[in-house]
Amino acid sequence: GAVVSQHPSRVICKSGTSVKIECRSLDFQATTMFWYRQFPKQSLMLMATSNEGSKATYEQGVEKDKFLINHASLTLSTLTVTSAHPEDSSFYICSASQDSVSYNEQFFGPGTRLTVL
Amino acid sequence: DAKTTQPNSMESNEEEPVHLPCNHSTISGTDYIHWYRQLPSQGPEYVIHGLTSNVNNRMASLAIAEDRKSSTLILHRATLRDAAVYYCILRDRNQGGKLIFGQGTELSVKP
Repeated sequence: GAVVSQHPSRVICKSGTSVKIECRSLDFQATTMFWYRQFPKQSLMLMATSNEGSKATYEQGVEKDKFLINHASLTLSTLTVTSAHPEDSSFYICSASQDSVSYNEQFFGPGTRLTVL
Repeated sequence: DAKTTQPNSMESNEEEPVHLPCNHSTISGTDYIHWYRQLPSQGPEYVIHGLTSNVNNRMASLAIAEDRKSSTLILHRATLRDAAVYYCILRDRNQGGKLIFGQGTELSVKP
């Protein structure tokens, strides 16, 4: 199956700093990428949908100025957590689709564990 | 978004079949039924999906009720590596293909 990678796999930062997480589709072109957040013992929460070359669509309650998403190419999307605080500590997961047709599977990355001190 | 209801947890014995139920009584005609699973500290993994007919692949089978208001994921012979949280998700093709995860069923497999 198709492979999605994330970098870094884990990051620890100080409160107030910004952190960038990369999501890459390694062997296919992803027209759409999704970003999720998962707190311990909870389900995944969709944060935003990004389409290559256009602005991301954020889910209700997600601050677009805090979670900056860029989808500059068909194989790369980035999520920047700006001015991170301890409550932003979470497991961030991206996924990618070759298109937005609902009968195609989404391919998920391995996740990035963010810890804000 | 149409919602699904799954048991919080289930147990199985190794090498026995497992039937994971999912209720989705408010499913619409444009919803596909998708199943994903997530092993600890990993991203989710696609398992199977269907629309109206039962589906089989190398990982599992999906049985869909005739009225589409429920479905069952079937693992034919559970292994220890199948221990994971299984998510049943309705994916609306009119919503850009996004997946909205519910709480899922945590499956434990006993040797």
